[in-house]
Amino acid sequence: RKEVEQDPGPFNVPEGATVAFNCTYSNSASQSFFWYRQDCRKEPKLLMSVYSSGNEDGRFTAQLNRASQYISLLIRDSKLSDSATYLCVVNPWGYGQNFVFGPGTRLSVLP
Amino acid sequence: NAGVTQTPKFQVLKTGQSMTLQCAQDMNHNSMYWYRQDPGMGLRLIYYSASEGTTDKGEVPNGYNVSRLNKREFSLRLESAAPSQTSVYFCASSEEGVLPSGQYFGPGTRLTVL
Repeated sequence: RKEVEQDPGPFNVPEGATVAFNCTYSNSASQSFFWYRQDCRKEPKLLMSVYSSGNEDGRFTAQLNRASQYISLLIRDSKLSDSATYLCVVNPWGYGQNFVFGPGTRLSVLP
Repeated sequence: NAGVTQTPKFQVLKTGQSMTLQCAQDMNHNSMYWYRQDPGMGLRLIYYSASEGTTDKGEVPNGYNVSRLNKREFSLRLESAAPSQTSVYFCASSEEGVLPSGQYFGPGTRLTVL
């Protein structure tokens, strides 16, 4: 089993839709979790950090389920500008170099 | 704050040539990283530096060397470039506390080795 797995995508949704991505991780001792977005040919940009059960920032909500070892990202009222690849990142040990990146889920928001 | 900066943005090399990719951050972060990203693949860690004067190998270190010049700067050197090193290279930095912050990435260097 890969350390971090994500919904394969791509997701094509109309503007205004609500979309959710899932990410599962294999190391039950993992402490820190992050969602990044990466636009085509650009660098990943930190979207949200998730340390406890969840986090909300405007239209974006991240939830953590430690028992089932998954993190989800919910985007409400999708905008065209939300089109990007969303990366789930897990830091298994809570420190150091161990940021493990998922393969990403591509989202296209359609007019 | 400029965040994380990288130079050059683009580079074309011939097989066997050498070059150094530069990275600097102005966020006073202790940890710095070099990743490569190949088409359709996730980011893979090349080298990591927890602080000035320390470096550690990541997942794919072969063919690369690094120098943590000071707290701000972390360079990546290709001594003898190979076509397999054609990739996009990202530098990143992060702060470590009780729980680490996320990483902040530079804009990347697109390298083609002919």
